[in-house]
Amino acid sequence: DIQMTQSPSSLSASVGDRVTITCRASQGISNYLAWYQQKPGKVPKLLIYAASTLQSGVPSRFSGSGSGTDFTLTISSLQPEDVATYYCQKYNSAPRFGPGTKVDIK
Amino acid sequence: EVQLVESGGGLVQPGGSLRLSCAASGFTFSSYEMNWVRQAPGKGLEWVSYISSSGSTIYYADSVKGRFTISRDNAKNSLYLQMNSLRAEDTAVYYCARDLPIAVAAPDAFDIWGQGTMVTVSS
Repeated sequence: DIQMTQSPSSLSASVGDRVTITCRASQGISNYLAWYQQKPGKVPKLLIYAASTLQSGVPSRFSGSGSGTDFTLTISSLQPEDVATYYCQKYNSAPRFGPGTKVDIK
Repeated sequence: EVQLVESGGGLVQPGGSLRLSCAASGFTFSSYEMNWVRQAPGKGLEWVSYISSSGSTIYYADSVKGRFTISRDNAKNSLYLQMNSLRAEDTAVYYCARDLPIAVAAPDAFDIWGQGTMVTVSS
């Protein structure tokens, strides 16, 4: 089975900071990688799919990159409303989520 | 408005059964592949099961294979999850989630999620 890891597990940054979250697959998954945002007490929201395609309605400060085994989610300028846990997910076969990265404001 | 509404959760004893339902509205349900995803209290997300638009292709996570059964009724715009032989570790919020319409007969990213229904397995 392909395992998904994320780093860091949590981070604290200031408003306006550039934030980068890394996701790694134990085997190559091409670009079958999505990113989700889950705010406290809320339902997960799709941010990015196909590693770098921004879902409709998602602010452009979110971006994704990578292919194969290494992927990143970048928030170009952190906003207070971005406080959430972020999950990567590999799909196409046996979908699996990463453990999550909790982001808060310093 | 595109919407998914889960129901059927509750408290059940270990070894018991429960059937979850997900009512879809605001889109052509029969054209979309669907999934169940769960989240244990305070934990991360775990994909549970996938069903193609026609119901002909089905996948399960190893953790539920042989115990859970996914199905759908396109005439009723509904998705189901029959859960048997429930264990304490099945305790979670269960979400139904719609697949992006990209690949056929293979799970994609999930673009629409329901609000979830809580399942508690305890004696």
